[in-house]
Amino acid sequence: SQQGEEDPQALSIQEGENATMNCSYKTSINNLQWYRQNSGRGLVHLILIRSNEREKHSGRLRVTLDTSKKSSSLLITASRAADTASYFCATDAVETSGSRLTFGEGTQLTVNP
Amino acid sequence: KAGVTQTPRYLIKTRGQQVTLSCSPISGHRSVSWYQQTPGQGLQFLFEYFSETQRNKGNFPGRFSGRQFSNSRSEMNVSTLELGDSALYLCASSPTFGEQFFGPGTRLTVL
Repeated sequence: SQQGEEDPQALSIQEGENATMNCSYKTSINNLQWYRQNSGRGLVHLILIRSNEREKHSGRLRVTLDTSKKSSSLLITASRAADTASYFCATDAVETSGSRLTFGEGTQLTVNP
Repeated sequence: KAGVTQTPRYLIKTRGQQVTLSCSPISGHRSVSWYQQTPGQGLQFLFEYFSETQRNKGNFPGRFSGRQFSNSRSEMNVSTLELGDSALYLCASSPTFGEQFFGPGTRLTVL
C-alpha cells in the first residue's frame, strides 16, 4: 500500500502557468525523489533532495522539503504542453538499507496549449 | 551510457502459467530493483538485488521471486499467474543507493 499522499490528484493548467504538486510521507527519510511518467511508460527521474536540504532547483523545477512536516512540493514554472504527465514523489526511508522507494499516488498534470 | 533495458516489453499469459522478465541495468550499476504498478495499488516495491544478493524485499507472496547475475542483469519470475498480476513491471538500477533510473517496463496481461 502507498505510504505517501500527493495532492492534487489531478491538475489542469494553461501553457505558461506554474504547476505546484504536493507530497506528504510518514517515515523519516534519507532523501525524496520526484519522477515523471508519460502514459504508463517508464519513470523519468527529475530531481533528488536529501533530508538535510530544504530547497533544490533544476531548470524549470523547484523542489522544497520540510522534514518537520514530512512534506515536499514540486513547482514547475512556465509549463509546456510537453509537461503533461503523471508526477510521483518517492521516499527512501532511513530504516531501509539499500534502495527501496515508497511512492505516492501521483498527480496527473495536464497542460493545455 | 545506455539506459535500463527490459525485455519483453509486452507479454500475454493465461492464469496458472509462469513468466520470467528480464532487466539489464545501466553499465556500472550494481543495484537492481523491481516495482509493480497497477491502477488500484499504484507503484509497489517488489525486491532489490545488490551484488547478486537480495537486499530488500517487499510485501508480495512467494510466487514472486528474482535473482541477479554476476553481470548485474536481473530476472524476476512470477509463478502460478493470477488475474491480479496484470500490471506494468518496472525495473530500476542505481550505483549503490540514491537515484534510481527506470526502464520502460514490461506490460504483463494475464487472461
